[in-house]
Amino acid sequence: AQKITQTQPGMFVQEKEAVTLDCTYDTSDPSYGLFWYKQPSSGEMIFLIYQGSYDQQNATEGRYSLNFQKARKSANLVISASQLGDSAMYFCAMSLGGSQGNLIFGKGTKLSVKP
Amino acid sequence: KAGVTQTPRYLIKTRGQQVTLSCSPISGHRSVSWYQQTPGQGLQFLFEYFSETQRNKGNFPGRFSGRQFSNSRSEMNVSTLELGDSALYLCASSLWRGGRQETQYFGPGTRLLVL
Repeated sequence: AQKITQTQPGMFVQEKEAVTLDCTYDTSDPSYGLFWYKQPSSGEMIFLIYQGSYDQQNATEGRYSLNFQKARKSANLVISASQLGDSAMYFCAMSLGGSQGNLIFGKGTKLSVKP
Repeated sequence: KAGVTQTPRYLIKTRGQQVTLSCSPISGHRSVSWYQQTPGQGLQFLFEYFSETQRNKGNFPGRFSGRQFSNSRSEMNVSTLELGDSALYLCASSLWRGGRQETQYFGPGTRLLVL
C-alpha cells in the first residue's frame, strides 16, 4: 500500500543550526514524486521542495535540500541555518504516476526553532 | 500573480446542515484538488478536478461532492453535516504544462466547525 511515514512527531533545533526531518515512503509504482510542505499555525500549506523518482540529483531550494535515498525509500528534508520563522509543521507527501493532483501525506513533524 | 483563494475562511454550522466552500485557483491553473485535514486523520485527499471533470476521488462518503466551473473555480459541498466533518478544508491548484502536471499550490483553507 502507498504510504508516507514521518516518525518524528516533534523536533527542536537551535537557531542557525541545521536540522533533518525524516520521511520514508512505500510504493511499488516506479514513477512517483516526493514533496515537502510547510504549514505554519495559520494553516496554509507552503510548497518547499520536490524530488522526482527518476531525478539523479538531490533537489535543493535555497536553505532546503532533499536527501533522496531511493534504495532505502527515504526522502529526508534538510534545513540549513534554521531561522525562528521555520517553526511550523512539516509534511512529506507523495504523488504517484503522472498525477500530482492526489497527494498522500504523512502525519507531519512539528519543528520548533529555539533562539 | 495572486495565489489560491478560498472563501469563506471560517464557518460554523450545525449538524444536519449543508455547506458549500469555494476555491479560486491561481490564474492559468486548470487542476483543482481538495483535501480535508483533521487532528485524528491528518491530511486526506477528497477529489481532483480538471477542466470541469472529476479526475480522482478519495475515500469519502457521497455527502461530499464537488464541481468545477469553466473558469476553473471550484466548489465543494458537504450535505447533512456531522460533527466529524469539523476540519480544515484545503484547496490546491496546479498547472498542466507539456502534458505534465506540475506542483500543487495550496490556499489558506476554510476552517469548518460543526456543532
